Amino acid sequence: NAGVTQTPKFRILKIGQSMTLQCAQDMNHNYMYWYRQDPGMGLKLIYYSVGAGITDKGEVPNGYNVSRSTTEDFPLRLELAAPSQTSVYFCASSYEGFEAFFGQGTRLTVV
Amino acid sequence: KQEVTQIPAALSVPEGENLVLNCSFTDSAIYNLQWFRQDPGKGLTSLLLIQSSQREQTSGRLNASLDKSSGRSTLYIAASQPGDSATYLCAAPGGGADGLTFGKGTHLIIQP
Repeated sequence: NAGVTQTPKFRILKIGQSMTLQCAQDMNHNYMYWYRQDPGMGLKLIYYSVGAGITDKGEVPNGYNVSRSTTEDFPLRLELAAPSQTSVYFCASSYEGFEAFFGQGTRLTVV
Repeated sequence: KQEVTQIPAALSVPEGENLVLNCSFTDSAIYNLQWFRQDPGKGLTSLLLIQSSQREQTSGRLNASLDKSSGRSTLYIAASQPGDSATYLCAAPGGGADGLTFGKGTHLIIQP
């Protein structure tokens, strides 16, 4: 059972470039989330989804976009990367908002 | 808005000691609370989920308690081992489906 899978694990972007962080879960969870973790700041919610076709903003959505076309996948799109988006990104899923399971993270550096 | 605070921020103890990590939250209208472990450079591993109807939840040497009325949860680690060294995170729902609000964690070092 793979759980929550994130790709890539590491990425270096140049300022102004774009990329998509992939997230897939195989637990048939309806809720999915994207967080970013910065040193000393804790995890912050970027976007979340309660089911296919439904997404909503979290605490820090600026500079990001998401889509949810299937139950399994919840990609996070970064447009026009900025140094402030250097962070570790975590995808998570849960059933109806109960126990959350996290992926291993994507470490992104914008230079 | 939910706010979660964890005390202490860091803790270093000799192997074998029993220890308590503290978590407080501002919005007591929560339906559960979750404790995670994070190793350096790794993802979050769920340790315990306590439902609002429960007072305690146990897994091996770990015991978590929840007191909604006081807005507090504790994670008790018995007979600590060097392998317990990690950052422990407490997270509470922010309300509805809008995800979890995390504390900044307790960085735990168990000295051999």
